[in-house]
Amino acid sequence: GIQVEQSPPDLILQEGANSTLRCNFSDSVNNLQWFHQNPWGQLINLFYIPSGTKQNGRLSATTVATERYSLLYISSSQTTDSGVYFCAVEKAAGNKLTFGGGTRVLVKP
Amino acid sequence: DTAVSQTPKYLVTQMGNDKSIKCEQNLGHDTMYWYKQDSKKFLKIMFSYNNKELIINETVPNRFSPKSPDKAHLNLHINSLELGDSAVYFCASSQGGTSLSNQPQHFGDGTRLSIL
Repeated sequence: GIQVEQSPPDLILQEGANSTLRCNFSDSVNNLQWFHQNPWGQLINLFYIPSGTKQNGRLSATTVATERYSLLYISSSQTTDSGVYFCAVEKAAGNKLTFGGGTRVLVKP
Repeated sequence: DTAVSQTPKYLVTQMGNDKSIKCEQNLGHDTMYWYKQDSKKFLKIMFSYNNKELIINETVPNRFSPKSPDKAHLNLHINSLELGDSAVYFCASSQGGTSLSNQPQHFGDGTRLSIL
């Protein structure tokens, strides 16, 4: 099956810092989503981004489908950005998301 | 207002019991899913249903039986619970699923199952 690798596995940031999270995948995909799992365990949809670039406030994401990777940018990080960030991909008519192992982010005040 | 809702949020029970988790979506989606998140936070698909029909059963023990009475509901029944079943179970839904144009999946808040 498709492999999804996220890096780094852990990230500690000072409040206000910027960072980039990476997601590599091993096959062509029709769906790529970024999620934030908050400390309460909820999975929050950040982006649906099978290709191209999107921005939402301090977060933005870019997927280069031909090179099989996606990047999530966090700018001016806040303590509320702490949690685990997951990348998940789906092949055409795959009927399932395959998740990466996540990046655990801790933003310190 | 909630798009994908699961009940209960927490479930604590003894080994060997049978329990059910319910999921409902009000998004009008055709496809629903169950995912399992283990203690290391790894998320993996268990089942997907499209218009009440089972599409994926990802090598899940047959103690787990999903049931979809209509396309807005996908329940998960677990027989003879084992310690290893302790996990967080997430329900999700999306539009389409069998087409070539995948649509984003929307997740419920999860059900934390603890086996004593």
